[in-house]
Amino acid sequence: EAGVTQFPSHSVIEKGQTVTLRCDPISGHDNLYWYRRVMGKEIKFLLHFVKESKQDESGMPNNRFLAERTGGTYSTLKVQPAELEDSGVYFCASSELAGVYNEQFFGPGTRLTVL
Amino acid sequence: GENVEQHPSTLSVQEGDSAVIKCTYSDSASNYFPWYKQELGKRPQLIIDIRSNVGEKKDQRIAVTLNKTAKHFSLHITETQPEDSAVYFCAASRAGGYQKVTFGIGTKLQVIP
Repeated sequence: EAGVTQFPSHSVIEKGQTVTLRCDPISGHDNLYWYRRVMGKEIKFLLHFVKESKQDESGMPNNRFLAERTGGTYSTLKVQPAELEDSGVYFCASSELAGVYNEQFFGPGTRLTVL
Repeated sequence: GENVEQHPSTLSVQEGDSAVIKCTYSDSASNYFPWYKQELGKRPQLIIDIRSNVGEKKDQRIAVTLNKTAKHFSLHITETQPEDSAVYFCAASRAGGYQKVTFGIGTKLQVIP
C-alpha cells in the first residue's frame, strides 16, 4: 500500500511569489493534517481536515496560508504571497477516523525555501 | 493549549550505551504519547507509543515510561546501534478521532561506532 505522498519534495521561490504544496493521504484515511518544521524547532501543527471539512485550523500562521481538501481526498496548501519566515519543511500526515488511538502516518515533507 | 518540552536537543552516545530522552507536557487531559523517529532525509515514523493507563511499555531495545502525576514521559534506548542515529520527537495528544498532536522540539541522537 502506498504511503502518504507529497509534492514537490523541494521548492525554492522568491519572496512575494506563490507556492502550492500537495498532499495525497493514505487511501481511506479521513483525517489529514498539515504540520511545519522550521529548522531546529518543533513539528508545529497547522491544521486538520476531517474528510473535506476543516476541523481545526488554529495553527495556521496567517491569512497568507490557504488549505483545501476538495472531495475529501488530496489536500493542497497554498502560500500567497510567500515571506522569508515561511521557509521550512511542510509535512502532511493522515490517519483513520474510527478508533481511539490512531497512528498518524507522515509524508516525506516538502522543503520550502523562500529567498 | 498543550505544550511539550523535550530535552536534550542533542545527544551523543557510544555504540552499546543507553540513551534517554525526556519530555514534559502541560495538558492534564492528554492521554496518548507517541514517539516518532526521523532518519536523515526520511519521514517521521512512529516507533512506540504509550497510553495514560499504563506506566511503561517495552519493544525490544526501546521502552517508554509515563508519570501522569508529574506530567513527564521518557524514551529509553538500550544497547544503541549506529542505525539508531536520528531525530526523535516526543508528542502528546488527547485520544480520539480528532487528535491534535503537539510535538516536542526533537532530539538529535548520534550513536558513535
